[in-house]
Amino acid sequence: QQQVKQSPQSLIVQKGGISIINCAYENTAFDYFPWYQQFPGKGPALLIAIRPDVSEKKEGRFTISFNKSAKQFSLHIMDSQPGDSATYFCAASKGGGADGLTFGKGTHLIIQP
Amino acid sequence: DAGVIQSPRHEVTEMGQEVTLRCKPISGHNSLFWYRQTMMRGLELLIYFNNNVPIDDSGMPEDRFSAKMPNASFSTLKIQPSEPRDSAVYFCATRDRGRLNTEAFFGQGTRLTVV
Repeated sequence: QQQVKQSPQSLIVQKGGISIINCAYENTAFDYFPWYQQFPGKGPALLIAIRPDVSEKKEGRFTISFNKSAKQFSLHIMDSQPGDSATYFCAASKGGGADGLTFGKGTHLIIQP
Repeated sequence: DAGVIQSPRHEVTEMGQEVTLRCKPISGHNSLFWYRQTMMRGLELLIYFNNNVPIDDSGMPEDRFSAKMPNASFSTLKIQPSEPRDSAVYFCATRDRGRLNTEAFFGQGTRLTVV
């Protein structure tokens, strides 16, 4: 049973455009929702995270929108740049991250110059 | 700090051989996680430790897999005997359990190929 569903699998966006990646979760006990960015040959690195008592969190060009009633959250990348080309994973965890992360399958993002 | 250090970075072994992957956590981090990444299944949590004690190993796929954390500075993931379907990238991640909503830091991974 896939507890965190992520879409799309791949995404191509023009430079300067907005990249949007969506995730949905099933377990209402999840209370910590991070997004990780992974470049080829590297480990995932935290990009931004949110708790369910907040509907939106913004850090620079990256914004998480969270809809608790729908059990959905999304990542928006504004003014997308070629350097943003990577694989993005949404994740969810209980205990504020203490119990390990359940990851979505990932989105391969390509920003075209 | 040098971050989470994993070794080796690449491992090629023959089916049936024993494989040992190693992880050195960030100093002061008291939670350690082992993940496996494949194209088909994505990133999966295998096992995690708190203060060197295994807490949840429900993600370990078979009895061929075992993990230990003999002290706060070192953990191993062992596969014995290895099979071609074990080919994957294995990541170790660590975090400070005393701080809620803080990130887990990942190592660079070990790419395992079983032929």
